[in-house]
Amino acid sequence: EAQVTQNPRYLITVTGKKLTVTCSQNMNHEYMSWYRQDPGLGLRQIYYSMNVEVTDKGDVPEGYKVSRKEKRNFPLILESPSPNQTSLYFCASSSRGVYGYTFGSGTRLTVV
Amino acid sequence: QKEVEQNSGPLSVPEGAIASLNCTYSDRGSQSFFWYRQYSGKSPELIMSIYSNGDKEDGRFTAQLNKASQYVSLLIRDSQPSDSATYLCAVLNAGNNRKLIWGLGTSLAVNP
Repeated sequence: EAQVTQNPRYLITVTGKKLTVTCSQNMNHEYMSWYRQDPGLGLRQIYYSMNVEVTDKGDVPEGYKVSRKEKRNFPLILESPSPNQTSLYFCASSSRGVYGYTFGSGTRLTVV
Repeated sequence: QKEVEQNSGPLSVPEGAIASLNCTYSDRGSQSFFWYRQYSGKSPELIMSIYSNGDKEDGRFTAQLNKASQYVSLLIRDSQPSDSATYLCAVLNAGNNRKLIWGLGTSLAVNP
């Protein structure tokens, strides 16, 4: 089944404790992206990658890191999480970035 | 600032009626347009994509695009309670970064 897999689905952590949210897709998509979704603010892009070893900042990159060492994986790293990073996070992928995105199931992160 | 505007709703329609959702965009060079459905707490799901002026039908869904007026709409015929969700309009940036610009979504409630 073609899908984007995110883990974990739910995460509660403490301020400053480094964490990684994994994202993997099995569709051989070149384009991958991370979003956060907050009430009233909609979907905001954090980082995106147009192919292996090619990443760039989105609209809200502060406090986040990404890497794209393999085509299928695009992990999101929070080096020192803060409460304002409490949000619903989505990973998405697309073929060449010109067609519709397929989204992962989401990760609900709470930083206390 | 490239923008996508949607009426936040809620749009309330009786079961069996036609629901009409509208979206306007500011970037005249945009080429690709998408409608996503998002149930509360779930990930966005692509339901329609449209790339040229006119209508595109898929089952009970019809997407309409008018590039001259810079709007795209989604019609849902024979609305069902299961269609109750937030509908997100997304427009693909015409630039090299292939960025999707998202509207904030319209909440649809279909009443039995």
